[in-house]
Amino acid sequence: EVQLVESGGGLVQPGRSLRLSCTTSGFTFGDYAMSWVRQAPGKGPEWVGFIRSKPYGGTTEYAASVKGRFTISRDDSESIAYLQMNSLKTEDTAVYYCTRDTVVGAKRFDYWGQGTLVTVSS
Amino acid sequence: EIVLTQSPGTLSLSPGERATLSCRASQSVTSGYLAWYQQKPGQAPRLLIYGASSRVTGIPDRFSGSGSGTDFTLTISRLEPEDFAVYYCQQYGSSFGSFGGGTKVEIK
Repeated sequence: EVQLVESGGGLVQPGRSLRLSCTTSGFTFGDYAMSWVRQAPGKGPEWVGFIRSKPYGGTTEYAASVKGRFTISRDDSESIAYLQMNSLKTEDTAVYYCTRDTVVGAKRFDYWGQGTLVTVSS
Repeated sequence: EIVLTQSPGTLSLSPGERATLSCRASQSVTSGYLAWYQQKPGQAPRLLIYGASSRVTGIPDRFSGSGSGTDFTLTISRLEPEDFAVYYCQQYGSSFGSFGGGTKVEIK
C-alpha cells in the first residue's frame, strides 16, 4: 500500500524558516518524481514544486510564487522528500501536501499524504 | 500560465441524479493533459480522471471525463451519497500544473 506522511508543519513567524518532511512507503521511491502541493484555507490546490527522480536528472522546478525561497530535496536511501521553506510570508499559510508525481514528472498526482498545516503569523 | 475556470461554483442535486461539471481553460491544454480530483472535508484530494477521460483504477464507472482543447467535462451519471464533495480540474500540460477553483456538489 502506497503511503505518504508529512511532518514538520506548525506556527512560524514571517521571515522565518521551516522544513517539511515526507516519509513514504509502498513503492520504489527512487523511480518517481515527487511534488509538493499546498492549499490555502477555502481555496483550491496550488502546485508548489517538484523534484525529478535521479534517472531524470534529479532536477527541481518551482512555482513562481515560491521560487528562490523554497527548496525541494530527496533522500532515495530513506524514501523521504523534503521541502525547505525560507523567508516565509503570511500568504504561505496553507496545508502542504506531499504527492507522488509520475515517473517523468508530469505534475499529475496519483497519491497524496494527509497534509501538514503551516501557519505563518506574528 | 493556463487559467482554469470551473462552473458552476455549486451544484445542488439529489442522490441518483446526473451531475455535469465544466472546466474551461484560458488556452488549449496540451495533449489533453487534464485531470479531475475529488476532495472531501478534511481529506486530501483524490485523483479520479487523467488524460481528460482515463479513469484511475478503482474509480467507479459512473465517473467519466470528456473534452479536448479548452473545454472539459466531468460527468457523474448517478450520484451516490459518497459523491457529494468538491471537484477540481487540473491541467498538467504546461510548466505550472494549475488547478481550477472547484465545483462543490452538495445534497439538495
